[in-house]
Amino acid sequence: DGGITQSPKYLFRKEGQNVTLSCEQNLNHDAMYWYRQDPGQGLRLIYYSQIVNDFQKGDIAEGYSVSREKKESFPLTVTSAQKNPTAFYLCASSMLLGSGELFFGEGSRLTVL
Amino acid sequence: RKEVEQDPGPFNVPEGATVAFNCTYSNSASQSFFWYRQDCRKEPKLLMSVYSSGNEDGRFTAQLNRASQYISLLIRDSKLSDSATYLCVVNIPPPRSSASKIIFGSGTRLSIRP
Repeated sequence: DGGITQSPKYLFRKEGQNVTLSCEQNLNHDAMYWYRQDPGQGLRLIYYSQIVNDFQKGDIAEGYSVSREKKESFPLTVTSAQKNPTAFYLCASSMLLGSGELFFGEGSRLTVL
Repeated sequence: RKEVEQDPGPFNVPEGATVAFNCTYSNSASQSFFWYRQDCRKEPKLLMSVYSSGNEDGRFTAQLNRASQYISLLIRDSKLSDSATYLCVVNIPPPRSSASKIIFGSGTRLSIRP
């Protein structure tokens, strides 16, 4: 079955540690995205990528980094520079960049202690 | 003014009722519109696209009002399983030649009671 896989589903880390969240898709989609969702709030775009080896900052990129070395993979690193990293992180993909038809992974819930 | 606004709710309605909620957008050049459903602590899933002529899928009807710049979602004969947060998504073209921007509303919470 085609889809997007995020891991881990739950993650606890100490303050000051970098954390990498995995996102893999087998939908053959060109575009991939990372969003952050805080309780009671909408999705905010962190980074997005249109093609391999290319990615752009979204609205809240500070304290995060990404890579796109393969079409299928778009990992997100939450660095120690991110002031408030505890959140629900969602990876998504779409056939083309800018399409409103997104497919989401199940999310990664990060808690920083 | 936010680019996309939704009434956060919660809307609390009895099973079998009809419920409708709107989503307003500020950019008149917005091109395409969608409704997503998000269950508690889960990922959003595409519910339906919103076409200029309206779109119906079973008990769900989505409509677009370009003049007043809002989209609506109507749910008829609501079921307990319809309880979720409904997110509207608006696709906004960029000012220069590049990819369009997708904006999510904050969502409207719907709770169906027996």
